[in-house]
Amino acid sequence: AQSVTQLGSHVSVSEGALVLLRCNYSSSVPPYLFWYVQYPNQGLQLLLKYTSAATLVKGINGFEAEFKKSETSFHLTKPSAHMSDAAEYFCAVSENSGYALNFGKGTSLLVTP
Amino acid sequence: ETGVTQTPRHLVMGMTNKKSLKCEQHLGHNAMYWYKQSAKKPLELMFVYSLEERVENNSVPSRFSPECPNSSHLFLHLHTLQPEDSALYLCASSQGPSGGAGDGELFFGEGSRLTVL
Repeated sequence: AQSVTQLGSHVSVSEGALVLLRCNYSSSVPPYLFWYVQYPNQGLQLLLKYTSAATLVKGINGFEAEFKKSETSFHLTKPSAHMSDAAEYFCAVSENSGYALNFGKGTSLLVTP
Repeated sequence: ETGVTQTPRHLVMGMTNKKSLKCEQHLGHNAMYWYKQSAKKPLELMFVYSLEERVENNSVPSRFSPECPNSSHLFLHLHTLQPEDSALYLCASSQGPSGGAGDGELFFGEGSRLTVL
């Protein structure tokens, strides 16, 4: 089964600083990859997804991620953090022929003034 | 109408109670899911339904009983739960399996926060 590993359960950045959240996947075939965000007491919302088109994917709220096959990575970045970006972020991978996504353990992003 | 609606948003129940969680999707999707999200634990897939048939059941205790009467509605019936079952229960839907009609993207509801006393 395909899986993802998120490095760092907690990341803290200053407002205006670069955000980098790491995700590595394990897959023998090109996967579909996703980043979701979860605000307190809410469900998960899709930020962006990679479905084998462009390797640099742009999402909502200024986030983007780059699919790097050589590194089996799909890291999430944002040039300048905003206080409203504080949330839990989940990376997920989809089996090419199955249901449901396999989620990472999540990274909690804290943005300090 | 929002895409995926869950009710109730909050539920407190005793260990001997019987209650149900409801999920409704307005997206025309064919697959629906229940996930459990506990504090400090990864998201756990509980059940998957495709076209009203259960396609996955990930070793969930029998005190959780899903029901999918049609492709728009999904229920989770709860009976004699334990305090460790307290969690956020998330419903999701998708167009279908990845590689088929869709890419596997899940659309989530807001969740039902369950507390078992």
